[in-house]
Amino acid sequence: GENVEQHPSTLSVQEGDSAVIKCTYSDSASNYFPWYKQELGKGPQLIIDIRSNVGEKKDQRIAVTLNKTAKHFSLHITETQPEDSAVYFCAGGGSKQGGKLIFGQGTELSVKP
Amino acid sequence: GAVVSQHPSWVICKSGTSVKIECRSLDFQATTMFWYRQFPKQSLMLMATSNEGSKATYEQGVEKDKFLINHASLTLSTLTVTSAHPEDSSFYICSAREGRQVQETQYFGPGTRLLVL
Repeated sequence: GENVEQHPSTLSVQEGDSAVIKCTYSDSASNYFPWYKQELGKGPQLIIDIRSNVGEKKDQRIAVTLNKTAKHFSLHITETQPEDSAVYFCAGGGSKQGGKLIFGQGTELSVKP
Repeated sequence: GAVVSQHPSWVICKSGTSVKIECRSLDFQATTMFWYRQFPKQSLMLMATSNEGSKATYEQGVEKDKFLINHASLTLSTLTVTSAHPEDSSFYICSAREGRQVQETQYFGPGTRLLVL
């Protein structure tokens, strides 16, 4: 079945710097890759997603890139702000997973003012 | 974006009692809903997938007789933890999707924190 690996597990950056979180997946049939942000004590919130027919997607300070050949995708946050501090989860899914998303282990991002 | 609510947001119960958690899609019809549990500092663990009008599909290792899931309408799914024990204490989160395709956005509820004494 699908396996999604996420790195790093923790990431600390200075306010204004960029942050990059990387994920790899195992099933080449996976074709949908969302990213979620989870603040302490809350449910995950979708921040951006990408489908396998595109290689990059951007929404203001957030961008996601997808390399289907290498089976990895990355989240890029530019001009980080303290309110970006949270746990970020990547996920992958496709028809072979029965409509389910497989989540990475999470990255705890800390943005220091 | 679409809104998913959960009720209650937190619950404390005695060991051996049953607890029901509700998950509602407020502004869309959810053909598919998912139930996850999450332990501190860990990722989301899928417990089961429910499609409206049919029986839930449970993940390996999840006891279907202990975690009863009902998805009776397109806007409501419930999770009942039967005969709860302290090891069932966790953060339970539901998510909802309008259709059955994985490429459709999955929206999460705010979670329910369960503490079993």
